[in-house]
Amino acid sequence: DAKTTQPTSMDCAEGRAANLPCNHSTISGNEYVYWYRQIHSQGPQYIIHGLKNNETNEMASLIITEDRKSSTLILPHATLRDTAVYYCIVRGSGSARQLTFGSGTQLTVLP
Amino acid sequence: GAGVSQSPRYKVTKRGQDVALRCDPISGHVSLYWYRQALGQGPEFLTYFNYEAQQDKSGLPNDRFSAERPEGSISTLTIQRTEQRDSAMYRCASSLKPGREENEQYFGPGTRLTVT
Repeated sequence: DAKTTQPTSMDCAEGRAANLPCNHSTISGNEYVYWYRQIHSQGPQYIIHGLKNNETNEMASLIITEDRKSSTLILPHATLRDTAVYYCIVRGSGSARQLTFGSGTQLTVLP
Repeated sequence: GAGVSQSPRYKVTKRGQDVALRCDPISGHVSLYWYRQALGQGPEFLTYFNYEAQQDKSGLPNDRFSAERPEGSISTLTIQRTEQRDSAMYRCASSLKPGREENEQYFGPGTRLTVT
């Protein structure tokens, strides 16, 4: 699976949009972009995934650039409970079933 | 239950002892994964099953680690002759079915293993 690069940490004001970037310049055509988050010591929680089109669900939006070399996770109205480590993961649809977590981005939502 | 459950939640054992960690996936989920997470790092893949078949065990660090899922539901991760470096959070995850675009993985609360 392709390697991803994320900033180590970010801050966001409560109520504002949080935009978390991810670079995945070596992504191949059949690889999906997944986002998970981990709040404190809880297990990782799925947020969203996409292939090449932008995606939106009740938690977040995922914007993937046209060349698919980078993406942005958007939390439209961040709350204090969104403080967590956010992981961007690139994963193939083929034989590799596991998730390969990097270091992620520590997002801190400030009151 | 509603989610993935793991037991025990905490396990303290002496070096050299064997431990067995249990995972009970979401009912009906076909795929089951084991990960290990060191403090301050993301989870690291160990092994996974589809039904009762172990599909990939490439992440198991050595032959002291083994896993089984004999009836395609509950899984046990066993560590023999534990060492201090085995201390970590062990997490289990399950997903509904394998496929071309797999469903998301649902993680359990983990078992915190401490080897003294």
